[in-house]
Amino acid sequence: DQQVKQNSPSLSVQEGRISILNCDYTNSMFDYFLWYKKYPAEGPTFLISISSIKDKNEDGRFTVFLNKSAKHLSLHIVPSQPGDSAVYFCAAKRGAQKLVFGQGTRLTINP
Amino acid sequence: DTAVSQTPKYLVTQMGNDKSIKCEQNLGHDTMYWYKQDSKKFLKIMFSYNNKELIINETVPNRFSPKSPDKAHLNLHINSLELGDSAVYFCASSQVGFGGVDNEQFFGPGTRLTVL
Repeated sequence: DQQVKQNSPSLSVQEGRISILNCDYTNSMFDYFLWYKKYPAEGPTFLISISSIKDKNEDGRFTVFLNKSAKHLSLHIVPSQPGDSAVYFCAAKRGAQKLVFGQGTRLTINP
Repeated sequence: DTAVSQTPKYLVTQMGNDKSIKCEQNLGHDTMYWYKQDSKKFLKIMFSYNNKELIINETVPNRFSPKSPDKAHLNLHINSLELGDSAVYFCASSQVGFGGVDNEQFFGPGTRLTVL
């Protein structure tokens, strides 16, 4: 039973445009959400996070939105750059419990 | 000055063999993890150690045995390897904060295990 799902395995976006990556979760007890970015042959690296008490967190070109009623979060990247091409994982947790990851979305930024 | 390192990066072996993957972190973190990324690309936690003590042990076959000689190292030993063990294994570490909550985890580069 996968509690965190990223239903788009891949996404292709023009350089300079906005990239929107989506993530849905089923466990309403999750209280912390993270996005990780992964390049080939490397481990995931932390990108941005949001606590369930907020609905938006921004860091430079990256913004994460949380819609608790819909159990949905999204990552916006604007403007998208070629270096953003990677696999993006969303993850969620409750308190001190384990991180649960989605299966990732491969983002390709086209020049 | 790699933060979380794993060796080997690639491991190809025959069914039935025993193998180990090593992980070291130089971040001074007190918690380390092993994750498995399966063929469907999900990253799933296998084990978690805090200050050398096992705190998370998911439903993993007991052929998998983690060993933490000190809080900077968490090794994974796998006995009697099976075809289904083929995956990428990631080590990670974090610092547990107030209330026992850790947030950001730092990952190693992964070890691709192929069982023939």
